[in-house]
Amino acid sequence: EPEVTQTPSHQVTQMGQEVILRCVPISNHLYFYWYRQILGQKVEFLVSFYNNEISEKSEIFDDQFSVERPDGSNFTLKIRSTKLEDSAMYFCASSDWDNENEKLFFGSGTQLSVL
Amino acid sequence: RKEVEQDPGPFNVPEGATVAFNCTYSNSASQSFFWYRQDCRKEPKLLMSVYSSGNEDGRFTAQLNRASQYISLLIRDSKLSDSATYLCVPYTGGFKTIFGAGTRLFVKA
Repeated sequence: EPEVTQTPSHQVTQMGQEVILRCVPISNHLYFYWYRQILGQKVEFLVSFYNNEISEKSEIFDDQFSVERPDGSNFTLKIRSTKLEDSAMYFCASSDWDNENEKLFFGSGTQLSVL
Repeated sequence: RKEVEQDPGPFNVPEGATVAFNCTYSNSASQSFFWYRQDCRKEPKLLMSVYSSGNEDGRFTAQLNRASQYISLLIRDSKLSDSATYLCVPYTGGFKTIFGAGTRLFVKA
């Protein structure tokens, strides 16, 4: 069964450093997303991406965040200057549209720890 | 009013029990609904889709009440493996799917 893959599974970084989280969406999906989940809290929408541009973004997705699809398979989330509060599990997802409804398939996540 | 509201639980039930969760949503334009399941520190996984009044898949039944703007998930004959957090997701179009905070279920032997 095709799946979304994310690397690395764990990332530890120092406050103020830049990190890049990587994702390979399911190959025939065209819509890509990043979500995050702070420990013990809900899954929060960050950004959606289609046709090489951002479709929607949340208020969390400020100037320190950026997304890119550098080639035909990878989808990345860059956090430019990490803060302690960026520590969370980051999930990538891609969607399969069924009857014009969005169904999300998630990767297993990258646990980001900012020290 | 929050976009999606769920009883956080936890619901603690014995194996074999029937348990039901409710989810209320604020946007009457929501077109379809999904239940996702999330195991501890894992990714959400799609459990069920609901496009009309309801859907049934084995032990799981979802029912939609558009007039009252809530959707329920019923689990019959609970198994230990059903222990997880269940996330309600009303879809309103566009590319910004918002998840509820989830309802935690513990099934004990």
